[in-house]
Amino acid sequence: EVQLLESGGGLVQPGGSLRLTCAASGFNCNNYDMSWVRQAPGKGLEWVSTINRGVNGGTTSYGDSVWGRVTTFRDSSKNTVSLQMNDLRAEDTAVYYCARDRGFDIWGQGTMVTVSS
Amino acid sequence: DIQMTQSPSAMSASVGDRVSITCRASQGISNHLAWFQQRPGKVPKRLIYASSSLQSGVPSRFSGSGSGTEFTLTISSLQPEDFATYYCLQHDSYPLTFGQGTKVEIK
Repeated sequence: EVQLLESGGGLVQPGGSLRLTCAASGFNCNNYDMSWVRQAPGKGLEWVSTINRGVNGGTTSYGDSVWGRVTTFRDSSKNTVSLQMNDLRAEDTAVYYCARDRGFDIWGQGTMVTVSS
Repeated sequence: DIQMTQSPSAMSASVGDRVSITCRASQGISNHLAWFQQRPGKVPKRLIYASSSLQSGVPSRFSGSGSGTEFTLTISSLQPEDFATYYCLQHDSYPLTFGQGTKVEIK
């Protein structure tokens, strides 16, 4: 079965860092664009980042609200994609989903990130 | 950046109603548009891709149309399980952008 499973969320203080990981099963995520999408409590969906397909990691793109503070990368040996988030702010509080392909055909269950002192 | 303007932001409808939701792109995106349904507390689920292609397993009462800058999601006969929030997504160019969402509520 094709699945995505996020992990790594939690409570972090403003200015802190967190790494989220998305583990793919049932397919090779190197063959797909992989994205992160977030949803703040009670709000809509917001695209965060995409790493394009490619054995050597692929090119990356980031949303304006996170640009310069996040990095997306792959671990091909583990079939995972990760989102390293630094200098976290209260407004980064959200459920973070990973999603497959440019059109987001498969989504993970999400992991909650709370930025608060 | 491409802005996606989704309307209405909310609507009340009855079981059996025909419902249409529109997304307008600030510039042409060909057919690089998808529609998602999100029930409360649940993960978004793709309904339509490439503007008008029905995702496998999605009921045929859902349909999509449009190209360029104007797109429509139609539910031909609303069912109780369709009360949810719907989002469009343009994936023509970065930054990828979602519409603001349309909450479909029971009248």
